[in-house]
Amino acid sequence: AQKVTQAQTEISVVEKEDVTLDCVYETRDTTYYLFWYKQPPSGELVFLIRRNSFDEQNEISGRYSWNFQKSTSSFNFTITASQVVDSAVYFCVHHTGRRALTFGSGTRLQVQP
Amino acid sequence: DSGVTQTPKHLITATGQRVTLRCSPRSGDLSVYWYQQSLDQGLQFLIQYYNGEERAKGNILERFSAQQFPDLHSELNLSSLELGDSALYFCASRGWEGPGTEAFFGQGTRLTVV
Repeated sequence: AQKVTQAQTEISVVEKEDVTLDCVYETRDTTYYLFWYKQPPSGELVFLIRRNSFDEQNEISGRYSWNFQKSTSSFNFTITASQVVDSAVYFCVHHTGRRALTFGSGTRLQVQP
Repeated sequence: DSGVTQTPKHLITATGQRVTLRCSPRSGDLSVYWYQQSLDQGLQFLIQYYNGEERAKGNILERFSAQQFPDLHSELNLSSLELGDSALYFCASRGWEGPGTEAFFGQGTRLTVV
């Protein structure tokens, strides 16, 4: 069965600091997809980024970047120059086949002004 | 706006009662998922439908049931409610049931059982 571990329960940074959220996953599948979702205080779940298992190229999108390391089963997410509006709970998610999305337990990020 | 609509946004009810949560997926999306988010359990997958058919079950209690209608909207029925059922219930939709595309979530229904 799939499992997603987000060891960081809560992170607090000061505005403009860079912050990296860690994610480690377990899967027996060779083809799978990984996502990051954000849940701001208002409660909705917002899709941020997607990565598939056969493309290990890391990317940057604005202030977001991600580091996918298949060899260590890690999919870390970095926010550059954090802002107060980035304060939220961030979920790492695994998906494969026709199964449901498997969520990690989430990391609460607090960005202090 | 994700395009997924959930109603009601808030619901307060007493123990032992029955409620129905409604979800309208994004236009054209055939796959609907229900998730429960409680403080101590995180986001738990309940059930999945694809084009009207049940596809997968997660940690859904026997007191809970769901269906997806021909117009693709879905309803989650919760009966004999207990205090522990208080949670945020999310519906999500995807274009199809295979992997590769992200799920879009509604704003959730916050259920409070008193």
